[in-house]
Amino acid sequence: QQQVKQSPQSLIVQKGGISIINCAYENTAFDYFPWYQQFPGKGPALLIAIRPDVSEKKEGRFTISFNKSAKQFSLHIMDSQPGDSATYFCAPQAAGNKLTFGGGTRVLVKP
Amino acid sequence: DTGVSQNPRHKITKRGQNVTFRCDPISEHNRLYWYRQTLGQGPEFLTYFQNEAQLEKSRLLSDRFSAERPKGSFSTLEIQRTEQGDSAMYLCASSGDSYNEQFFGPGTRLTVL
Repeated sequence: QQQVKQSPQSLIVQKGGISIINCAYENTAFDYFPWYQQFPGKGPALLIAIRPDVSEKKEGRFTISFNKSAKQFSLHIMDSQPGDSATYFCAPQAAGNKLTFGGGTRVLVKP
Repeated sequence: DTGVSQNPRHKITKRGQNVTFRCDPISEHNRLYWYRQTLGQGPEFLTYFQNEAQLEKSRLLSDRFSAERPKGSFSTLEIQRTEQGDSAMYLCASSGDSYNEQFFGPGTRLTVL
C-alpha cells in the first residue's frame, strides 16, 4: 500500500460543507485515477475517475483535481450531504489492470 | 440483478480448515479480480484473470491460496489450512476488455476462529 498514500484518514464535515481528500502516488505507470466509495457491508463502487490528459473533472457535486508533476490527485465533495457519509478510496491503475488502493478516508457528514 | 455476485456472504471456520468462495462476474466481462480487505484498510490485490487465464498473482497469495476460473465465467478462491490472519473480506470485481471501471461484488466475510 506504500505506493499510494491517502489523507486524511477521517474527516467530519457539516451538511453543505466541502470535503477534500488527497492522494499521492509513486508509480508513474498509472494511467487511470479513480475514486471509489464504499458503504459498510458493501463492495467499493466507482464514484468518479480521471485520465492524466486533463487536470480537472467534475460530475455533479464531485470534482477530481489532478497534478501530474506532483503525482497527486484529490477529490472534492461540494455541498456535502449525510448520504455522502462513507469511506472513500483512491485507487490508481496501470494499463487496465489491478487497482492499487489507498488506505481510505472515512467521511462523516453531520446534519 | 446483473451485478457481481459472491457466495457465501459470510463464512466462519476453524483454523486449519479449507474454505472456498465463489464469484459470478457480470456476464459480458472477461476480466475478473480478487482483492482482500481487512478492517479499516483499503482492498489489496490478490489475483486476476482474463477469460480463463490467470495473468497476475500478488505475493500476498501464498501457496495456501488458489484461484480458478475454469471456463472464463465464474471463479473460485480456495484457502487451505486457514489461519487467523486470513480473516478478512474477500472482494471480487469484474471489468470488460475496453473499460477500466471495475464492478465489485458485496464480498465474502471470512472469520477464522
